[in-house]
Amino acid sequence: EPEVTQTPSHQVTQMGQEVILRCVPISNHLYFYWYRQILGQKVEFLVSFYNNEISEKSEIFDDQFSVERPDGSNFTLKIRSTKLEDSAMYFCASSGGDRYPDTQYFGPGTRLTVL
Amino acid sequence: DQQVKQNSPSLSVQEGRISILNCDYTNSMFDYFLWYKKYPAEGPTFLISISSIKDKNEDGRFTVFLNKSAKHLSLHIVPSQPGDSAVYFCAAKGSGRGADGLTFGKGTHLIIQP
Repeated sequence: EPEVTQTPSHQVTQMGQEVILRCVPISNHLYFYWYRQILGQKVEFLVSFYNNEISEKSEIFDDQFSVERPDGSNFTLKIRSTKLEDSAMYFCASSGGDRYPDTQYFGPGTRLTVL
Repeated sequence: DQQVKQNSPSLSVQEGRISILNCDYTNSMFDYFLWYKKYPAEGPTFLISISSIKDKNEDGRFTVFLNKSAKHLSLHIVPSQPGDSAVYFCAAKGSGRGADGLTFGKGTHLIIQP
């Protein structure tokens, strides 16, 4: 069964550094998403991407964040200048497949630790 | 502003019995609802979904019921198995664009007792 994959599984960075989190969505999906989950809190929507542009973004997704689909398979989330409060699990998801077009399938996540 | 609420942080059920997880929502624009299962340090795994045009959807041991007038949905797992022990999230999205983000509840930790 096709899966969403994410790399790295764990990223440690210093405050103020840039990080890029990578995702490979399910190949025939059309919509791509990033979510985050701060420890002990609920999963929160960050941004969605369709047809090579941002479709929707939450209040969390400020100017420090950007997304890109640099080629036909990868989908990336960049945090320009990380803050301590960016420490969280970041999940990529994709949807738009044939069987359940509205269902979002999640990757295993990247744990980001900002020191 | 909790648009999706799971009021039970945890639930303990004996193996073989029925597990019932509840979820309430406040946003009347939500029209597609999903349940995800999550283990620690893993991503949410899709279990089952329901559109607002239905009031029940069943898939094997999992059944989701939707009561639109009460803005309430529930997930029934029967029979419960030890592997069902995990955190279960209710999520919802609005109609229209396929790229709408999901709004999640805080989750219910289901513990299946042997």
